Amino acid sequence: GAVVSQHPSRVICKSGTSVKIECRSLDFQATTMFWYRQFPKKSLMLMATSNEGSKATYEQGVEKDKFLINHASLTLSTLTVTSAHPEDSSFYICSARDLSGGGSTNYGYTFGSGTRLTVV
Amino acid sequence: AQSVSQHNHHVILSEAASLELGCNYSYGGTVNLFWYVQYPGQHLQLLLKYFSGDPLVKGIKGFEAEFIKSKFSFNLRKPSVQWSDTAEYFCAAEAGNMLTFGGGTRLMVKP
Repeated sequence: GAVVSQHPSRVICKSGTSVKIECRSLDFQATTMFWYRQFPKKSLMLMATSNEGSKATYEQGVEKDKFLINHASLTLSTLTVTSAHPEDSSFYICSARDLSGGGSTNYGYTFGSGTRLTVV
Repeated sequence: AQSVSQHNHHVILSEAASLELGCNYSYGGTVNLFWYVQYPGQHLQLLLKYFSGDPLVKGIKGFEAEFIKSKFSFNLRKPSVQWSDTAEYFCAAEAGNMLTFGGGTRLMVKP
């Protein structure tokens, strides 16, 4: 089945530094990838939709300059948390829509294993 | 804006008990519906999905869900749970290009 690889799984960084998280679709091409943030004991909140070859679409309240998204190829999207602060500490999850099952009426979303970011 | 509600935040069951987790969505148009499971320390995995057709959908590991359009519901069921079903369950609705998650239900199955 479709696999999305997310790296790193855990990262600790100092306040003020930047952290890059990678999301790769391993056996399928993903023109669209999604970035979520999951707070403790809460659900996944969509941060942005990453579009290959074009600008990402950010959800309301998400700072574009703080959470930089790049989707340079059909298999890779990156999220860079710039000038990280302790309140950015969270669990970040990427997802890609896998259309290999049959197009518009039979597809699924495959999720990466997540990245636990701790800003100290 | 669409939203998804899961009314049970925590559920504790004994093995062999039956399970039903509620999910309601608010969106007037066509939606695709999903149930995902997240085992401790693991990533989200798809249990089942509904796009169209038979409103009773069967998924993996003995789970099923029923789409009731008039109630805007997509409840998840399993006739007999196992200890290994201990996990967090998320209902999600897709409309347009956006997947919206419910708040999740944490299920604990006692052996």
